[in-house]
Amino acid sequence: QSALTQPASVSGSPGQSITISCTGTSSDFGTGNFVSWYQQHPGKAPKFMIYEVSRRPSGVSNRFSGSKSGNTASLTISGLQAEDEADYYCCSYTGSNTHVFGTGTKVTVV
Amino acid sequence: EVQLLESGGGLVQPGGSLRLSCAASRFTFSDYTMRWVRQAPGKGLEWVSSISGGGGSTYYADSVKGRFTISRDNSKNTLFLQMNSLRAEDTAVYYCTKALNSYFEYWGQGTLVTVSS
Repeated sequence: QSALTQPASVSGSPGQSITISCTGTSSDFGTGNFVSWYQQHPGKAPKFMIYEVSRRPSGVSNRFSGSKSGNTASLTISGLQAEDEADYYCCSYTGSNTHVFGTGTKVTVV
Repeated sequence: EVQLLESGGGLVQPGGSLRLSCAASRFTFSDYTMRWVRQAPGKGLEWVSSISGGGGSTYYADSVKGRFTISRDNSKNTLFLQMNSLRAEDTAVYYCTKALNSYFEYWGQGTLVTVSS
């Protein structure tokens, strides 16, 4: 199972919006909307940010939003802040109790 | 808040074995699927294995199938990963995660496994 494809890096200025794409095949995304996103600061464990494509767990800022079209999922961060600088990973449940993560995207706030 | 504390990582020679543990607290452990995820140095995340709440169903990534065994002791709120026939490419930080349906809701701080001679 190959990893989902994400851009290696995305940058933006404070206050701007950025979007991270996550591309796979139809088999990667299965038959449901089982896409999630994780934020990872350097040296820290990942944090659960988005599930079911666009839902936010309790406590996650509404500046983070998700969407999906065809075989591409996306994470948008609006009102970019310095604390958003981190690595971001998408993940899909492929069915048959297997999961595939994306290659990861480094977000830089310039 | 949920707590997951991994232990058991370290340096092991190629072909060797290691057993990781994850002590869970502040939730009803036996009600939840648990999973292991790893991250090689400077690389991305990789799902490794899952186990159902009762322990009766287990699943593995192709990269570890036949070499790793996931298990759990619900009486002790502890998750395990027995790793045999270790290879250099198994070098990674191993994270214990609590599942929320198909997602990875909570993560431990990770334990580093280094496979090297």
